Amino acid sequence: GDSVTQMEGPVTLSEEAFLTINCTYTATGYPSLFWYVQYPGEGLQLLLKATKADDKGSNKGFEATYRKETTSFHLEKGSVQVSDSAVYFCALSAISYGQNFVFGPGTRLSVLP
Amino acid sequence: DTEVTQTPKHLVMGMTNKKSLKCEQHMGHRAMYWYKQKAKKPPELMFVYSYEKLSINESVPSRFSPECPNSSLLNLHLHALQPEDSALYLCASSQAGGRGTNEKLFFGSGTQLSVL
Repeated sequence: GDSVTQMEGPVTLSEEAFLTINCTYTATGYPSLFWYVQYPGEGLQLLLKATKADDKGSNKGFEATYRKETTSFHLEKGSVQVSDSAVYFCALSAISYGQNFVFGPGTRLSVLP
Repeated sequence: DTEVTQTPKHLVMGMTNKKSLKCEQHMGHRAMYWYKQKAKKPPELMFVYSYEKLSINESVPSRFSPECPNSSLLNLHLHALQPEDSALYLCASSQAGGRGTNEKLFFGSGTQLSVL
């Protein structure tokens, strides 16, 4: 079945460091890919998305490129801030049935001042 | 209005209680979802309603009973829960409810449920 794998962390960085969170997926067909972020005590918020190969999603300084050849959707940010501390979920939207979104295990990021 | 509103934010209940979680959205979305999230885990899909009809039930125990009174409202009725059911319950919605891939989920802030 469809699945998402991502580095689980926790990842601890200093402010202004470069961030990469790896995400790879397995899916039939051509899924859409997403990064969601969850701040403490809150629900998930969409951070960015890409719907086809070579698309780049970007938002709030975060970027991820849909790489079909490597089945990857790595999240990057050039300079992280303390306010970026959260859990990041990679996800795909499958067309196998209904509207089933498949989430990765999540990566906890802590940014230290 | 791009919000999904969930009430209550916190709920403590005993194993013999009956309670309900509520979710509301006014974005015109036709698919609504219940997810369960344990600490440090990703959300797990429980139910999907598409055009007010139950389209996905992920083998959830019958002590959880969903209800979709109309296209804006989604309830989750709880009865005779177990302590292991303690979790964050998230409601979400998406636009089309069909089998398209150009979809995104809008989540509520969740109900933190504790079963004693």
